[in-house]
Amino acid sequence: AQTVTQSQPEMSVQEAETVTLSCTYDTSESDYYLFWYKQPPSRQMILVIRQEAYKQQNATENRFSVNFQKAAKSFSLKISDSQLGDAAMYFCASPPTSGTYKYIFGTGTRLKVLA
Amino acid sequence: DVKVTQSSRYLVKRTGEKVFLECVQDMDHENMFWYRQDPGLGLRLIYFSYDVKMKEKGDIPEGYSVSREKKERFSLILESASTNQTSMYLCASSFSGQGWNEQYFGPGTRLTVT
Repeated sequence: AQTVTQSQPEMSVQEAETVTLSCTYDTSESDYYLFWYKQPPSRQMILVIRQEAYKQQNATENRFSVNFQKAAKSFSLKISDSQLGDAAMYFCASPPTSGTYKYIFGTGTRLKVLA
Repeated sequence: DVKVTQSSRYLVKRTGEKVFLECVQDMDHENMFWYRQDPGLGLRLIYFSYDVKMKEKGDIPEGYSVSREKKERFSLILESASTNQTSMYLCASSFSGQGWNEQYFGPGTRLTVT
């Protein structure tokens, strides 16, 4: 993808509830991947989930799932049964496509989990 | 587990000092990256290296240089630190190629220039 946009600087969710973080992207590629990264406070950024564009099925990793709308160029992250440990910055990202080396990151969404 | 380590978690330097930030990865990754992270701006790429002694400028290379003498080590150098370089610096590494290769990140260095 050439651009990645996260329009929600901050979100809050009650513990045990579900929250959806939004991401839109733009690309001229037909085959590509999209990632969600999590950066907990004072801890390393880690990959949460990845989606292959040509796969119809939305990726799922335990309580984390994506809603991938290829035509709309939308890639949102749903966190179910939110836990206090989910509080973090979340970045949507696009890895390099053919002929490039750059990972493109969104500006991030800070998720607060309320007890 | 992949490990990417950075030499310091917190660093305070004076304006005009030469600053070295070091990053080491233990997964034999070809690619290494230096990013700067500022609130509201996300991650901005400073420099990228795809092999020993090879480097490419990223989006904001001005005021920075890098060195990669060994595959596992990638250093970021601030030749003459300025207050506008106060930021969080993240190192990352990955295998080469495109597609599914995720980046692995270090814990970050929070640099304050006074």
